[in-house]
Amino acid sequence: GQNIDQPTEMTATEGAIVQINCTYQTSGFNGLFWYQQHAGEAPTFLSYNVLDGLEEKGRFSSFLSRSKGYSYLLLKELQMKDSASYLCAGLILTGGGNKLTFGTGTQLKVEL
Amino acid sequence: SAVISQKPSRDICQRGTSLTIQCQVDSQVTMMFWYRQQPGQSLTLIATANQGSEATYESGFVIDKFPISRPNLTFSTLTVSNMSPEDSSIYLCSVEGQGLTGEQYFGPGTRLTVT
Repeated sequence: GQNIDQPTEMTATEGAIVQINCTYQTSGFNGLFWYQQHAGEAPTFLSYNVLDGLEEKGRFSSFLSRSKGYSYLLLKELQMKDSASYLCAGLILTGGGNKLTFGTGTQLKVEL
Repeated sequence: SAVISQKPSRDICQRGTSLTIQCQVDSQVTMMFWYRQQPGQSLTLIATANQGSEATYESGFVIDKFPISRPNLTFSTLTVSNMSPEDSSIYLCSVEGQGLTGEQYFGPGTRLTVT
């Protein structure tokens, strides 16, 4: 089966750095995505990793270790608007094509 | 990324009735996906809809309860049939991006409340 785990909640301070971890146990793994979802809105695509290593995109970076089944999303210079749910999703290759399996999401609260 | 719209944006329905949700994309896409997001939960894939073929349903979801149409490359519908309060959820459609990474872009969602 597919299993993707994230912490349920995290709290961090404005201006700080926060790391949101994601571990996965999946078959047919073909990459890992991070999405941001503000309350009442649709998820928006943040990052994608398929090879081991760090992908940096502005204040957001994402890391993947395929051998360890582990990823993290790093948010720097936190802003109040970063308060949202962050979803880790594994891209799974199946006979019918690629599909995303989402983790439970991490609710991040940024405080002053 | 594609621009995706959904109708209705929200609805309140009585148990036992059915609701059809529409998803429109501004470009032709091969694969469209339907998800459910129950209150406080993450996204669960209901089915994958390819144009010209039957939708592929995930474990726990059946065609009689969630019939899907995919008449062309820019449009799909999901019907929630014989609704019960447990069907209260946000229903989202998504499409694959044009790149080769397999990323998906989501519509704004339909918030359904069943009373």
